[in-house]
Amino acid sequence: DGGITQSPKYLFRKEGQNVTLSCEQNLNHDAMYWYRQDPGQGLRLIYYSQIVNDFQKGDIAEGYSVSREKKESFPLTVTSAQKNPTAFYLCASRPGGGPRGTDTQYFGPGTRLTVL
Amino acid sequence: SQQGEEDPQALSIQEGENATMNCSYKTSINNLQWYRQNSGRGLVHLILIRSNEREKHSGRLRVTLDTSKKSSSLLITASRAADTASYFCATSLYGNKLVFGAGTILRVKS
Repeated sequence: DGGITQSPKYLFRKEGQNVTLSCEQNLNHDAMYWYRQDPGQGLRLIYYSQIVNDFQKGDIAEGYSVSREKKESFPLTVTSAQKNPTAFYLCASRPGGGPRGTDTQYFGPGTRLTVL
Repeated sequence: SQQGEEDPQALSIQEGENATMNCSYKTSINNLQWYRQNSGRGLVHLILIRSNEREKHSGRLRVTLDTSKKSSSLLITASRAADTASYFCATSLYGNKLVFGAGTILRVKS
């Protein structure tokens, strides 16, 4: 899990509520990522950020929002527009925001979100 | 979009045996990585092989890459119960994004 922390570990949400998942890293990495993992499946990219105050949509950005105000932090908000938010959410970071940085990503321990 | 596909989906072996997992992908890549995920945890990077490499070793891990067939294999030798986990391949073209496969679930019985 390295120097990446995610909180909370478990999160329960009622339908219609927005929730924010926290991701913090002390690795001085430029790039940060949010993935969604459903049971028995691989990871799908939600959003990523290569530099502070900039972020790009991934493959499944609808119903999610992010911000990158600080290098260390990349919170993910799951909005009420996300119709099926129950999943395991993983945050990752990578040294170097651009293509010259290493491609290896370092993952946090994850947050399991359940909609009640 | 999911690019990598792992095969088999699940693998069960005895401790001490070798485990081989395969990954196929669809487009050009700069490198391919393998990650391990213990149940309910984050992913841990295992090994990276570049597109101009054919084989790479790291401890009990051996990775091969065949860019003509767009496939890679991960061999874990002398498996241990602690190797029980899900294993994912991930491909990268420009470095800023990874595309993951669906994973292989490995169970090593002691």
